[in-house]
Amino acid sequence: NAGVTQTPKFQVLKTGQSMTLQCAQDMNHNSMYWYRQDPGMGLRLIYYSASEGTTDKGEVPNGYNVSRLNKREFSLRLESAAPSQTSVYFCASSDGRALPDTQYFGPGTRLTVL
Amino acid sequence: DQQVKQNSPSLSVQEGRISILNCDYTNSMFDYFLWYKKYPAEGPTFLISISSIKDKNEDGRFTVFLNKSAKHLSLHIVPSQPGDSAVYFCAASARGFGNEKLTFGTGTRLTIIP
Repeated sequence: NAGVTQTPKFQVLKTGQSMTLQCAQDMNHNSMYWYRQDPGMGLRLIYYSASEGTTDKGEVPNGYNVSRLNKREFSLRLESAAPSQTSVYFCASSDGRALPDTQYFGPGTRLTVL
Repeated sequence: DQQVKQNSPSLSVQEGRISILNCDYTNSMFDYFLWYKKYPAEGPTFLISISSIKDKNEDGRFTVFLNKSAKHLSLHIVPSQPGDSAVYFCAASARGFGNEKLTFGTGTRLTIIP
């Protein structure tokens, strides 16, 4: 039982390059989330998916796109990376029906955009 | 506008003593509050939560207190142990069933001094 897995762990991009961050969960959770963590800013929600087939914007969606490929997988795409997107990215999942709806996080992807 | 605030970026406590981490919020619609713990190079892990209808919740060495009138909550760790050294995030979710989006504070780095 791996929980939430993310690939890659580290990535360096040049400005303008594109990439996709992958996330998968094996807890049969309905909801999945993408966050970014920046120094002094806490965790900020980029996009979330309440259930398979649905996605919604979070607090900081600009410059990102997401795909809920199936119930297990939720990917985050940077179409044209910018230095402002240098951050640590976390994927999370939750049951979506519990109270509170505790989220479980992956280990993160550290992205640097030069 | 920061709806969840952790005003102390860091805190150092002697091993065996009590650690008190504080969190303030502005949105009166928040109905659940959660604490997450984060070690370096790992994702946040859920620690403890409290419903807005309660004023205290206890789980082993960890107790969370909620003061709704002051819009303030605190996490008490007694006794503090070296393994408690981590960044602690306060998070809150607004009223609604399922798909509870979390709003995170900026975190407090706790260092336990042996």
